[in-house]
Amino acid sequence: TQLLEQSPQFLSIQEGENLTVYCNSSSVFSSLQWYRQEPGEGPVLLVTVVTGGEVKKLKRLTFQFGDARKDSSLHITAAQTGDTGLYLCAGARNQGGKLIFGQGTELSVKP
Amino acid sequence: KAGVTQTPRYLIKTRGQQVTLSCSPISGHRSVSWYQQTPGQGLQFLFEYFSETQRNKGNFPGRFSGRQFSNSRSEMNVSTLELGDSALYLCASSPRTTLSHNEQFFGPGTRLTVL
Repeated sequence: TQLLEQSPQFLSIQEGENLTVYCNSSSVFSSLQWYRQEPGEGPVLLVTVVTGGEVKKLKRLTFQFGDARKDSSLHITAAQTGDTGLYLCAGARNQGGKLIFGQGTELSVKP
Repeated sequence: KAGVTQTPRYLIKTRGQQVTLSCSPISGHRSVSWYQQTPGQGLQFLFEYFSETQRNKGNFPGRFSGRQFSNSRSEMNVSTLELGDSALYLCASSPRTTLSHNEQFFGPGTRLTVL
């Protein structure tokens, strides 16, 4: 059972386009994190959202946490080739170390 | 601050053997978690250690075990290897304070291939 459903699984776009990645669950999370992973490396933390309805911006990336703390989205404006990678959402239920990961979105930005 | 380090980076074993992977967390981080990443299942939580005690455990068989030392370094062991154990094994450390929200800082992983 996949507790966090990420969509789309694959995305191939041209440089300059906008895109949105979704992360949905029927469960409530105490916090939700987004990571980016490049081939041969471990995931790198991009952002943590904690409060329902919270919006965080990181340059061209905008992250939103749903009001009910069950879903999140990542929006990238004017994508660049350097944004290429695997984007992962991960939810935490409590202060413990266990993170529940979505399946990931493989993003390819072509010049 | 140095990041999370994992050794070895690559490992090739045969079925039935056992393997030990090592992880050194970021200095000051007391929590170490282990994850298995495969193309089919994605990232799955194995276990978490905090102050030398296992605090959380995922749904993996008993062949997967781990431990943490007093300096927070951690090892995980897989016994009686199976072909399906081929994966990228990721270690992550976390400050695990009341101000943190379980942010995990990952190492580069150990790529295990079982033949």
